[in-house]
Amino acid sequence: RKEVEQDPGPFNVPEGATVAFNCTYSNSASQSFFWYRQDCRKEPKLLMSVYSSGNEDGRFTAQLNRASQYISLLIRDSKLSDSATYLCVVNMPGTYKYIFGTGTRLKVLA
Amino acid sequence: DGGITQSPKYLFRKEGQNVTLSCEQNLNHDAMYWYRQDPGQGLRLIYYSQIVNDFQKGDIAEGYSVSREKKESFPLTVTSAQKNPTAFYLCASTTSGGADTQYFGPGTRLTVL
Repeated sequence: RKEVEQDPGPFNVPEGATVAFNCTYSNSASQSFFWYRQDCRKEPKLLMSVYSSGNEDGRFTAQLNRASQYISLLIRDSKLSDSATYLCVVNMPGTYKYIFGTGTRLKVLA
Repeated sequence: DGGITQSPKYLFRKEGQNVTLSCEQNLNHDAMYWYRQDPGQGLRLIYYSQIVNDFQKGDIAEGYSVSREKKESFPLTVTSAQKNPTAFYLCASTTSGGADTQYFGPGTRLTVL
């Protein structure tokens, strides 16, 4: 089992749709979780940190399910500009290391 | 403005040559990282450094070397021993690592001719 797994997609959705991605992680001791956005041929940029209680930033909502060891990202009212690859990142407990998923590609269609 | 800079943006190298990629940060971060990204792949850790004058191998360190003589700088050398060096190289930093947000530089795209 991979340490961090994501569905690669692509998820093709119309503008205005709601779309959700999940990311599973294998180490139950992981404490820090992040969603990054990466545009084609660019560096990853932080979208959201994921807190135990869940958190929301505008149209974006992140949640953590420790029992099932996954985090989720919900995007409401999708915009064309949301088209990108979304990377799930989990810390490796007791280290300075982070484990990256391979990313989920989202295409928002006009 | 605070941030991470990487240079050059594009780099072309002949087989058998060593090349050094620059990474500088003015965020006063202690921890710095080098990742490699191949098309359609996730980021893989090459080396990381928790503090000046100290660094550790990541998952794919073979054929690479680093130094951390200054807090602000973490250059990566891609040696001729790296069998497949063509990739997108990303430098990142965090306040102290582990639980903190990583911030990335714009990356260097290396092509071996």
